[in-house]
Amino acid sequence: SQKIEQNSEALNIQEGKTATLTCNYTNYSPAYLQWYRQDPGRGPVFLLLIRENEKEKRKERLKVTFDTTLKQSLFHITASQPADSATYLCALDSRSGGGADGLTFGKGTHLIIQP
Amino acid sequence: GAVVSQHPSWVICKSGTSVKIECRSLDFQATTMFWYRQFPKQSLMLMATSNEGSKATYEQGVEKDKFLINHASLTLSTLTVTSAHPEDSSFYICSATVLARYTDTQYFGPGTRLTVL
Repeated sequence: SQKIEQNSEALNIQEGKTATLTCNYTNYSPAYLQWYRQDPGRGPVFLLLIRENEKEKRKERLKVTFDTTLKQSLFHITASQPADSATYLCALDSRSGGGADGLTFGKGTHLIIQP
Repeated sequence: GAVVSQHPSWVICKSGTSVKIECRSLDFQATTMFWYRQFPKQSLMLMATSNEGSKATYEQGVEKDKFLINHASLTLSTLTVTSAHPEDSSFYICSATVLARYTDTQYFGPGTRLTVL
């Protein structure tokens, strides 16, 4: 069966350092992979989308890599700040063309940036 | 842009009653809307996919007679939890998407916390 693993339930990082979160998947052939931020009691907020033919994508302090051979994505936050503390979710969509599919989410990694 | 709202943000009801949750795309027309459920410390689980004017597609294990979905317009989808029971207590989140040429981003609502007593 299809499976997404975010290998840290919680991650503590000192302010200013780079936080790196991991997302591994099995039995998927995703058209693209997405990262979301979720704060307690709130819906997810879209951060970045990376396509299967892209290796890296950046947005401000965020960087995502996508290795379809390893079936892994890494999500980096550079110069981390306490305001970056949240749960970060990896999500996959295995759409093969046309239409829209719902997303399958990992459990998330709770990131805590300590001052 | 791309704001999705949900109403109510929280609801408490008695066992056996029905609860309706609304999901609206405020500044765009949504080709498709999705309904998810999230239990504490768990991932979001897709319940159903809803396209305007057609019947919803439910994920395996989700009872379509219990979770009624109506997608009457391109900006509104409703989820009705019928004869709710305590095990239906959860965080219900909708998302909306506009199908773009190659990729489509889902815009999520703020969620509705349902507590069934």
